[in-house]
Amino acid sequence: SSVLTQPPSVSVAPGKTARITCGGDNIGSNSVHWYQQRPGQAPVLVLYYDSDRPSGIPERFSGSNSGDTATLTISRVEAGDEADYYCQVWSSASHHVVFGGGTKLTVL
Amino acid sequence: QVTLKESGPALVKPTQTLTLTCTFSGFSLSTTGMGVSWIRQPPGKALEWLARIDWDDYKLYNTSLKTRLTISKDTSKNQVVFTMTNMDPADTATYYCARITGTYYYYMDVWGKGTTVTVSS
Repeated sequence: SSVLTQPPSVSVAPGKTARITCGGDNIGSNSVHWYQQRPGQAPVLVLYYDSDRPSGIPERFSGSNSGDTATLTISRVEAGDEADYYCQVWSSASHHVVFGGGTKLTVL
Repeated sequence: QVTLKESGPALVKPTQTLTLTCTFSGFSLSTTGMGVSWIRQPPGKALEWLARIDWDDYKLYNTSLKTRLTISKDTSKNQVVFTMTNMDPADTATYYCARITGTYYYYMDVWGKGTTVTVSS
């Protein structure tokens, strides 16, 4: 099954750009989905198919995926973006949903 | 509007069986392409996928837990039932159900609020 590696934490000042990576063997050949989980709340889908945004998700959220790394980019970071972020893929080999270990985004 | 809500006991004893129900609205599990997954999150830890059931009753389980898990659906009631046997304190977690969708590269687009389950004698 796939193993997805995320940095435990990322810090960014308000108004700056945050980049959260998700590493995996040839992850670029898969589609990566991203979830935001604010403290005490359920996860919310913020990107699917690498870079598509569900309705209601700001354009500040974007994504890319190539080679062994997928990246969630949050532009003009706001205090409300402070949350845990999880990447996810579907492993066709194991028929599993696979999550990364999560990254805590801190807005300084 | 798609919504899902988990229900079940907040406390179970070790070795007991946990039964959780996901009641949903805004979609039907008899519609092609629809599915529901269960995911859990131990306190302070990452998300862990547990099981999935699709519109055609196709079922998948986390391989590492497969012998303990069962998932089923009642389409007429818009419910999915999840059971985990032989509960252990390490199974203490918030359990979520979510709609799973997508074409081949599946993802969960709507989640329930979760239900917290504590395993303790």
